[in-house]
Amino acid sequence: DAKTTQPTSMDCAEGRAANLPCNHSTISGNEYVYWYRQIHSQGPQYIIHGLKNNETNEMASLIITEDRKSSTLILPHATLRDTAVYYCIVNAGNNRKLIWGLGTSLAVNP
Amino acid sequence: DTEVTQTPKHLVMGMTNKKSLKCEQHMGHRAMYWYKQKAKKPPELMFVYSYEKLSINESVPSRFSPECPNSSLLNLHLHALQPEDSALYLCASSQVQASPQHFGDGTRLSIL
Repeated sequence: DAKTTQPTSMDCAEGRAANLPCNHSTISGNEYVYWYRQIHSQGPQYIIHGLKNNETNEMASLIITEDRKSSTLILPHATLRDTAVYYCIVNAGNNRKLIWGLGTSLAVNP
Repeated sequence: DTEVTQTPKHLVMGMTNKKSLKCEQHMGHRAMYWYKQKAKKPPELMFVYSYEKLSINESVPSRFSPECPNSSLLNLHLHALQPEDSALYLCASSQVQASPQHFGDGTRLSIL
């Protein structure tokens, strides 16, 4: 099963873009990259996912390298409410289980 | 506001008690999940139900017993738990097993 590696913590100024990297060098061709976040005292929240192409939705953009060995989640204009633990995840196997990494704790500062 | 509702929000129980955690969703999702999360750790998958049938059991001890009475409800029956079972128990649902998951805010369980 592919595993992910993320920085333990990051800081970002309010209003600036937050770029969260993730390494998944052992990802297989049919495995998707998912991003979730967990705000303190809440359940995880789905953000975005992708296979090969870059993806964008109302929350964030996902940039996947051509070799698919790494990706970056971009929050274009971070707010204080974006302070959370961000998990980069690959799904695995026919059962599509999510293999969770340890996550990046993002602090957005005023 | 979460679309997956978990009750109770907090539960304290002794090691000899029997209790149940409940999870409900009305999004028409056909896959439902139980996760266990310890402090400062990622969620750990316990069980997956797909179309009301148990699809995945991650070698969870038998003192945890899942039940899916219908497509909207998921229960986790607890019996003879140990102190190390104290954790946040999260329920999630998705359209089908490969789809993005929607999580509840969890039940915080403490075993005395």
